[in-house]
Amino acid sequence: AQSVAQPEDQVNVAEGNPLTVKCTYSVSGNPYLFWYVQYPNRGLQFLLKYITGDNLVKGSYGFEAEFNKSQTSFHLKKPSALVSDSALYFCAVRDLGNFNKFYFGSGTKLNVKP
Amino acid sequence: DAGVTQSPTHLIKTRGQQVTLRCSPKSGHDTVSWYQQALGQGPQFIFQYYEEEERQRGNFPDRFSGHQFPNYSSELNVNALLLGDSALYLCASSRGRLDTGELFFGEGSRLTVL
Repeated sequence: AQSVAQPEDQVNVAEGNPLTVKCTYSVSGNPYLFWYVQYPNRGLQFLLKYITGDNLVKGSYGFEAEFNKSQTSFHLKKPSALVSDSALYFCAVRDLGNFNKFYFGSGTKLNVKP
Repeated sequence: DAGVTQSPTHLIKTRGQQVTLRCSPKSGHDTVSWYQQALGQGPQFIFQYYEEEERQRGNFPDRFSGHQFPNYSSELNVNALLLGDSALYLCASSRGRLDTGELFFGEGSRLTVL
């Protein structure tokens, strides 16, 4: 079965500092991994994805993620956090064997303080 | 280019009632998936529609049913509402069951069951 885990319910970081939001995955076969962001009372917005290729994936709003096969991780990163980055972040894996069903993590709340 | 649209945005029902939620996929997309997001949790897959048929179903009871129309729009129906059905219901669209790209989400329908 496919799954992702987000070990931190909340991450606090000061504005201007680098941020990391962690995600580990468990899949059979090649992983198709995604990050989404959710602002209060809104839907999910796509940030970036890893399908194949370079382990460092660049996405929207200056975010990037590093795919690490040996550690089965796909951590979301940003070199310099903004207060406006404060939101709920979800890691997800796509199950290609089940008509593209997505499995989401439980989410990590990012708080960026001025 | 219109994205995924959902209606209604908010609704309040009482236990035992029935509800219908609606979704129009992003232009060019033919596959619609529904997710339930309870408060403080990640989205959980309900089911997916492609070519007007339910292709995959998550771990949800038969009270949850759906439909897809020839124009690819979709409905989610929930019968005999329970308090635990209170959640944000998210519709997501994609381009075909072989698509490896991201899901595009609507803003969601917030259902409150009293």
